[in-house]
Amino acid sequence: QVQLQESGPGLLQPLETLSLTCVVSNYSISSAYYWGWIRQPPGKGLEWIGSFHHTGSTYYNPSLKSRVFISLDTSNNHFSLRLWSVTAADTALYFCARQADYGDFPRGWFDPWGQGTLVTVS
Amino acid sequence: QSVLTQAPSVAAAPGQKVTISCSGSTSNIGNNYVSWYRQLPGTAPKLLIYDNNKRPSGIPDRFSGSKSGTSATLGITGLQTGDEAVYYCGTWDTSLSVVLFGGGTKVTVL
Repeated sequence: QVQLQESGPGLLQPLETLSLTCVVSNYSISSAYYWGWIRQPPGKGLEWIGSFHHTGSTYYNPSLKSRVFISLDTSNNHFSLRLWSVTAADTALYFCARQADYGDFPRGWFDPWGQGTLVTVS
Repeated sequence: QSVLTQAPSVAAAPGQKVTISCSGSTSNIGNNYVSWYRQLPGTAPKLLIYDNNKRPSGIPDRFSGSKSGTSATLGITGLQTGDEAVYYCGTWDTSLSVVLFGGGTKVTVL
């Protein structure tokens, strides 16, 4: 079955750039679907960061749009997240997930999810 | 505060039924599909319901979803101790152009 695995540095200092990678197994990310990032601050709920359509379109949460970039590396079958100028408010568990493709916008459900990677800004 | 409103917690005895509601507006739930996720402690969310009322393969029929107007509901029957988790609703908001999640409802099995 399709599996996703996040990786990246666990600790950042304020104003540094967060860079995470999500490796996808058993499915080619260039074939279909959106590929998304979601985060969860400690003890809080889920926040969508953005999604990348396999054809190249990207969609970002307006609250993060000025600081975020998502890209696909089809040759290595992974996708990445970059978040600039991080602060303590960016401390969270970061998940990657495959997102259903309903066409024009990333309106679909997320499944499966990676196990998540904790990023602490301090 | 989330745009999608969920009760913070609900509790019931084993074997009972619980319903979890998710309230939104015409720009989100009212005109888009709703999905539901379960997050066990220390784990990633898992899809339970998609397209308002469909269950992915492997999800038992104890879990059901429905939508009416600008609200959606997740039902769990035959409650088990393993159902203790936080449950989130999710949908797209057409006006905000953003994926939304509810604040989550913690289910406690008494």
